[in-house]
Parts: sequence; structure tokens; C-alpha cells
Amino acid sequence: DGGITQSPKYLFRKEGQNVTLSCEQNLNHDAMYWYRQDPGQGLRLIYYSQIVNDFQKGDIAEGYSVSREKKESFPLTVTSAQKNPTAFYLCATAGGYTDTQYFGPGTRLTVL
Amino acid sequence: EDQVTQSPEALRLQEGESSSLNCSYTVSGLRGLFWYRQDPGKGPEFLFTLYSAGEEKEKERLKATLTKKESFLHITAPKPEDSATYLCALVAGTASKLTFGTGTRLQVTL
Repeated sequence: DGGITQSPKYLFRKEGQNVTLSCEQNLNHDAMYWYRQDPGQGLRLIYYSQIVNDFQKGDIAEGYSVSREKKESFPLTVTSAQKNPTAFYLCATAGGYTDTQYFGPGTRLTVL
Repeated sequence: EDQVTQSPEALRLQEGESSSLNCSYTVSGLRGLFWYRQDPGKGPEFLFTLYSAGEEKEKERLKATLTKKESFLHITAPKPEDSATYLCALVAGTASKLTFGTGTRLQVTL
């Protein structure tokens, strides 16, 4: 079954804790992206990676960290430095010579 | 700075009542314009990519068109299952990232 998987679907965090969101793909896509979605706002880019072992900050990278050790995986860590982490987090991939991005099902993070 | 504006913010249609959603943009060097459908609590589902003014693409009841300043998503004879938020995004110049609009929430009633 090909596609993009994100886990967990729902995540609850206490203030001061770091949490890691998983994104895995078997589409053989080179590029992977993390977005944050808040009500009434467009998707905002957190980090992206175009090749293994390399990644760039997006528009709202503060309080987040990523790694890209394997082509298939691009985990996102939400650190305690992120002041307002409650949001819907989306992972996307793109491959070949196209800019078209394909999205995973998302993880909803809630800070208690 | 690239800008994408979608209108209306929300649209309510009766089943069978055709209409259009608008995505206007201000960019330098458009490389691609994308339409996505998003259901509540789910990730966006890719619909179309348009590359140049005059291009049109169709899928079932949906048809996307592109001019030099805007794109339209035409919905012909919609059904309740077409209810969703429709997102427009674009990539321009040498950018490696998409710029998204805030979406149009479509509700189709019986």
C-alpha cells in the first residue's frame, strides 16, 4: 500500500515537553515537507528537505527541529520552545520533476 | 512577496447549483498553480496542477482554469459529497516551497 503515513493521529503534550511526530513515505520521493495548519490561516511551512541529510527552515521554524537520515522518513520534533504548538500538522512529499506535493493524513497536536 | 487570495471564504450551494471558486494571485514567474480538496480532520487531496495561462483541466464535476492573474475552480451540478474546503497554492520563481491561500469552505445541501 503506497503512500504517506503520519503517526500518531492525535497527540497530547504537557507544557514543557518535547514531542516527535512521525512521517514515513514509500513513494520514493526526494522532497519532504512539514506544514502547520491553524483555523482561518493557510498552510505554513515549518521545514523542508530536498535530499537525505539536508534540510532548510521554512517560514515558521522557531521551536521545531527535524532530521532526514533516510529518504523514507522525516520526523518533526516540537520542542518546549514552541510557544503555541496546538495545531494540525501535515507532512507532504514531492518527487520527479514536478512541484506537486502530496499530503499525509495529518497529526493533531494538543497542548494540555 | 508571493500572494494568494481565495474567495469567497465560504459558499453554500444547493445540489445541482453550479458555481465557481476564485484564486487570485500576485507572483513573479509562476511555475505552477495547484488545487487541493480537504475534508475535515484530513490531509489535503491533490486535484489539479496548472502551468500556463489558458490551460484547463477536468475531473468529474470539477474544472480548473488559469489566467495570468487568477484561477477558477468550476463545480458543475455539485453533490453533497463535494462539500469540503478547497485550497489553492502556487510555486513561483526559484522558490522550493508552495504558497497557500486560506481556502474556500464549500457546503452542498440537498
